[in-house]
Amino acid sequence: GQQVMQIPQYQHVQEGEDFTTYCNSSTTLSNIQWYKQRPGGHPVFLIQLVKSGEVKKQKRLTFQFGEAKKNSSLHITATQTTDVGTYFCAGPYSGAGSYQLTFGKGTKLSVIP
Amino acid sequence: KAGVTQTPRYLIKTRGQQVTLSCSPISGHRSVSWYQQTPGQGLQFLFEYFSETQRNKGNFPGRFSGRQFSNSRSEMNVSTLELGDSALYLCASSLVSGGGSEQYFGPGTRLTVT
Repeated sequence: GQQVMQIPQYQHVQEGEDFTTYCNSSTTLSNIQWYKQRPGGHPVFLIQLVKSGEVKKQKRLTFQFGEAKKNSSLHITATQTTDVGTYFCAGPYSGAGSYQLTFGKGTKLSVIP
Repeated sequence: KAGVTQTPRYLIKTRGQQVTLSCSPISGHRSVSWYQQTPGQGLQFLFEYFSETQRNKGNFPGRFSGRQFSNSRSEMNVSTLELGDSALYLCASSLVSGGGSEQYFGPGTRLTVT
């Protein structure tokens, strides 16, 4: 079925290193959203990308939406311990007349101080 | 604006029982979605309500049901609980339905079925 694949599942980095997580969809997406969930917390919305080839930045975070609108990436420059958490991408999918926001399994980021 | 609230935060139930969870969305948001989060399956969509109507439904058995009230508050019910229903249940509110806009999640209800 339609799904969002996210890699890697886990990433351990030294503080100060860069980090990237990738998201691939089986179908073209109208938009892609990114969320962050801290340990013990709930997902928090980070950004929504809508346009083909779109790039958006939030301080040390850079988000990209692929030209074909089927893949996306989140890059963090110079990670800090506050970046620890699980990063999810999510896209809207339709099936049998129903639309739902489908989440990837997430990339769990650990930052070693 | 106040965020999304969920009650209760924690629940322990026995197999076969039923449970009702509540969610109050952000003021002005008419869409409420429910998700089940488990370590193995991640975040899985249960259903979405918009203006008191179920707009979208995930692939869960009929034991999982929900409703939405005129003030946009939503409830989720699980009947005949099974051990596998142990999970974090999250609700999220948004302005539009169908994943077209960002979702704001509540803190979740941690359900343990023994």
